[in-house]
Amino acid sequence: AQSVTQLGSHVSVSEGALVLLRCNYSSSVPPYLFWYVQYPNQGLQLLLKYTSAATLVKGINGFEAEFKKSETSFHLTKPSAHMSDAAEYFCAVTFSGNTGKLIFGQGTTLQVKP
Amino acid sequence: DGGITQSPKYLFRKEGQNVTLSCEQNLNHDAMYWYRQDPGQGLRLIYYSQIVNDFQKGDIAEGYSVSREKKESFPLTVTSAQKNPTAFYLCASSPGDRGNDGYTFGSGTRLTVV
Repeated sequence: AQSVTQLGSHVSVSEGALVLLRCNYSSSVPPYLFWYVQYPNQGLQLLLKYTSAATLVKGINGFEAEFKKSETSFHLTKPSAHMSDAAEYFCAVTFSGNTGKLIFGQGTTLQVKP
Repeated sequence: DGGITQSPKYLFRKEGQNVTLSCEQNLNHDAMYWYRQDPGQGLRLIYYSQIVNDFQKGDIAEGYSVSREKKESFPLTVTSAQKNPTAFYLCASSPGDRGNDGYTFGSGTRLTVV
């Protein structure tokens, strides 16, 4: 069965520090992978997605993620955190033939300290 | 601009009342979804619909009902049978026939029992 695990429900970084949010997936077929961001009392916004093209995917707001099949991972990174990056981040997976239905991780709350 | 509109943004329900949350999209997407979000529990799927006049239960459908009479609309009714309805509700849509598009989300409705 397909699943996704986000390691760490809360991550705290200092402003200007590297952001690393971890996501591992389980899938018996090639996956499509997504990262979403949610600000308080808002819906989710797509940050980036992997759909079997380049393994290093660049998204909005300076975020990027690398698909590593051997590690079944799709970690989200940003070189330098901004205060505005404080939000909840969700990793999600689906696969061809699943009619587009996403399986979400539990979410990681990113805190950015001044 | 295309998107998903959820209304109202805030909703208050008395004990024993049914309430209906609206979700409308103008993206020409075939599939629509309802999620419930509680603190620390991620996103839980309530119902989804992949085509007009058809819908399937998600993981927590008890106490909820939906209809899909038009492609653009997927309203969710929270019935009096739902004993703990206070939560943030998110509607989403996707093209439905491929896995690589992900979801577009609405901005959510916060329901509170008073």
